[in-house]
Amino acid sequence: EAGVAQSPRYKIIEKRQSVAFWCNPISGHATLYWYQQILGQGPKLLIQFQNNGVVDDSQLPKDRFSAERLKGVDSTLKIQPAKLEDSAVYLCASSARGASGGSNTGELFFGEGSRLTVL
Amino acid sequence: QKEVEQDPGPLSVPEGAIVSLNCTYSNSAFQYFMWYRQYSRKGPELLMYTYSSGNKEDGRFTAQVDKSSKYISLFIRDSQPSDSATYLCAMKKGYGQNFVFGPGTRLSVLP
Repeated sequence: EAGVAQSPRYKIIEKRQSVAFWCNPISGHATLYWYQQILGQGPKLLIQFQNNGVVDDSQLPKDRFSAERLKGVDSTLKIQPAKLEDSAVYLCASSARGASGGSNTGELFFGEGSRLTVL
Repeated sequence: QKEVEQDPGPLSVPEGAIVSLNCTYSNSAFQYFMWYRQYSRKGPELLMYTYSSGNKEDGRFTAQVDKSSKYISLFIRDSQPSDSATYLCAMKKGYGQNFVFGPGTRLSVLP
């Protein structure tokens, strides 16, 4: 079974530029998450999708971050304009948990992440 | 006070040692507890999952939850260099809730 795919793996940009990250979840997984992991910290949830609808985006800085999952499969996370403090690894994860609960554990399957450096 | 805390390490142990990794938390509503392992430049992968209090064993790994003390532990027996990674605890309140992650403890097992 193919895992969660993310691209690009690495990106270096200057502040005020824009960047986009792409994620393709495990086939059949209804729930998709974007996490931000700053060096030395645990992952912080940015946004959660259930199919193509947003379930939780309470921690997404909406003035500069946006995300979409148009067909309920792959997803794009965009940052515009980027700030120095956005330097982090952006992790995409998917879960088989459906709207009614699904998996008892809600186990998250993570991609390898996209490492962003803002200069 | 952060919701979930871990000693960041790094923790260095010799091969074959027993390793104890711990998390404390402040919210007594947490009921589901997980341990993830994250190798350098990789995404986290699930190691252990426990619900409520008690112990769970899987091979060389044992997870313990003490809800009365708001304290969870992961023990690794006969540690191997391949166990060198960052260990993240994660917990959530309920079935449909999202996980809150600790900052992780970096472990190095020296051959």
